[in-house]
Amino acid sequence: DIQMTQSPSTLSASVGDRVTITCRASQSISSWLAWYQQRPGKAPKLLIYQASILGSGVPSRFSGSGSGTEFTLTISGLQPDDFATYYCHQSETYEAWTFGQGTKVEIK
Amino acid sequence: QVQLQQSGPRLVKPSQTLSLTCAISGDSVSNNGAAWNWIRQSPSRGLEWLGRTFYRSKWFNDYSVSVKSRITINPDTSRNQFSLHLTSVTPEDTAIYYCTRGLFRAVFDWGQGTLVTVSA
Repeated sequence: DIQMTQSPSTLSASVGDRVTITCRASQSISSWLAWYQQRPGKAPKLLIYQASILGSGVPSRFSGSGSGTEFTLTISGLQPDDFATYYCHQSETYEAWTFGQGTKVEIK
Repeated sequence: QVQLQQSGPRLVKPSQTLSLTCAISGDSVSNNGAAWNWIRQSPSRGLEWLGRTFYRSKWFNDYSVSVKSRITINPDTSRNQFSLHLTSVTPEDTAIYYCTRGLFRAVFDWGQGTLVTVSA
């Protein structure tokens, strides 16, 4: 299986900060990378798919970039609602989707 | 707007079969562009994709190698739903199970999640 490694595992930030989360794949996944946000007790929610396409209704302060093995999720101007855990997800191998271990964004 | 409503037992005994159903509203299980997945989440294993069913002129299934010998995912076109059956469960199968809709190789919609505990 393709391994997905996120960094950092935890990130402390303040409202208004610009935040970047990195996801690295153990082999090339082209642009088959999605990002999700999960709040406590809730299901994950799609933010970005195909590395850089914003999901429906997702605020424009979220953006994604990268291809191959290295990807980033950027939040430009952190809002109170954004304190949550973020996951990357690769779908290059259609029969073996895998997820990163998560990055928790907490209040500084 | 697509909604996925999960149902099924929350407690399963070891060695028995875990069965969950996902009722779809706002889309069709036979949608040629969608895939209907089951994903689980636990503290020890994180988010884990289990398998999918999808229709492309005929029905197909894909399963994770980690559960391939124990899993079945079936569509039910008459009720517009799909189901998960996982046999011979152990406490390691304790997790929150999500049914999901996949588009463009991403998960666009998630069910509410069902915490299933495997315990005697």
